[in-house]
Amino acid sequence: AQSVTQPDIHITVSEGASLELRCNYSYGATPYLFWYVQSPGQGLQLLLKYFSGDTLVQGIKGFEAEFKRSQSSFNLRKPSVHWSDAAEYFCAGAGGQGNLIFGKGTKLSVKP
Amino acid sequence: DVKVTQSSRYLVKRTGEKVFLECVQDMDHENMFWYRQDPGLGLRLIYFSYDVKMKEKGDIPEGYSVSREKKERFSLILESASTNQTSMYLCASRGPFSYSGNTIYFGEGSWLTVV
Repeated sequence: AQSVTQPDIHITVSEGASLELRCNYSYGATPYLFWYVQSPGQGLQLLLKYFSGDTLVQGIKGFEAEFKRSQSSFNLRKPSVHWSDAAEYFCAGAGGQGNLIFGKGTKLSVKP
Repeated sequence: DVKVTQSSRYLVKRTGEKVFLECVQDMDHENMFWYRQDPGLGLRLIYFSYDVKMKEKGDIPEGYSVSREKKERFSLILESASTNQTSMYLCASRGPFSYSGNTIYFGEGSWLTVV
């Protein structure tokens, strides 16, 4: 069955430090993968998506993600975190019904 | 700009009440979705609709129903609200695969508390 796993429930980084959020997927074929961000009390905003082609995907707000088929991963990265990046981040893959299958999310806290 | 609007952001309802959560999208999308979000569980699909008057069950449809009478509007109905339905509900929409590259757009969410 298709699934998306985010191994880290909560991560804390210092402002200005680099960030990597992990995402692993279990799909038979090439998956369509997404990263969304959710600020407290808000809906989900799309950061970036991967369908095919270049495995390094650039998104909004300075985020990027790299698709690695050999590791079944689609990790999200940012070179320098800002306090406004504190939020919950969700990795998702396209399901067979056209919906999204979500990981359980990683909450990011940013230390001053 | 893409817009998915959930008219009620915060609701408090009593056990046994019938609850309607409304969602409207302005992108002429065929596909619409209702998700439920709970801490530690992520987002789980309740129902989705791929056309007017069409609906399909998602992963957790029990206790819910939906209505899609017009293309732009997708309603989630709790026939008899229970306390275990206290949650954040997120509506989403998507165009056909070739139109939007399969991107799903979300509303701001509706916080429902059942007391």
